[in-house]
Amino acid sequence: EIVLTQSPGTLSLSPGERATLSCRASQSVSSSYLAWYQQKPGQAPRLLIYGASNRATGIPDRFSGSGSGTDFTLTISRLESEDFAVYYCQQYVSSPRTFGQGTKVEIK
Amino acid sequence: EVQLGESGGGLVQPGGSLRLSCAASGFTFSSYAMGWVRQAPGKGLEWVSSISGSGVSTYYTDSVKGRFTISRDNSKNTLYLQMNSLRAEDTAVYYCAKGSEKQQLVYDYWGQGTLVTVSS
Repeated sequence: EIVLTQSPGTLSLSPGERATLSCRASQSVSSSYLAWYQQKPGQAPRLLIYGASNRATGIPDRFSGSGSGTDFTLTISRLESEDFAVYYCQQYVSSPRTFGQGTKVEIK
Repeated sequence: EVQLGESGGGLVQPGGSLRLSCAASGFTFSSYAMGWVRQAPGKGLEWVSSISGSGVSTYYTDSVKGRFTISRDNSKNTLYLQMNSLRAEDTAVYYCAKGSEKQQLVYDYWGQGTLVTVSS
């Protein structure tokens, strides 16, 4: 099983600031089979990024993904009020398709 | 418009069974892989199971293998999760999710979830 470790656990930032979220895998995630999801309280998750760097339909370009192998990053270039949420990475290169434990982006 | 609606959750005693359903509309159901993801109260997301569009291929996380069965009825546009031998640690909101257009192993649409509570 591939274990995904996200850091930091909580990120306290102000609107307009840049957010950098990390996801580290216990073994290589080949073909960059890594996705990022956003979840707000009481809501279902929303797909942001797939294939490590491809934005899903309708996702603003302030969201970007990068990385390969075992180290991946989600960057939000300028935080807007609606971006404060919990973010999860997920690998889908092998079963079980594990999620990271999440990073909460909160308003400072 | 893609819509996913889960049903079948509720309170069940340890060792009991439940069958979750997910009614899908707004897309060609049989063309897409589908999955179940759960979230225990106050916790993160956990992938549970997935199934190919044809229903031939199924996958499970280790903790539910032998207890849960995923299936689909493409004639009814419905996804199912049969859950047997339920345990307290299965308590969670269960989401059904649709494989995305460009990469069916990730989920681009999700239902609102149905709560399963396993308790005596």
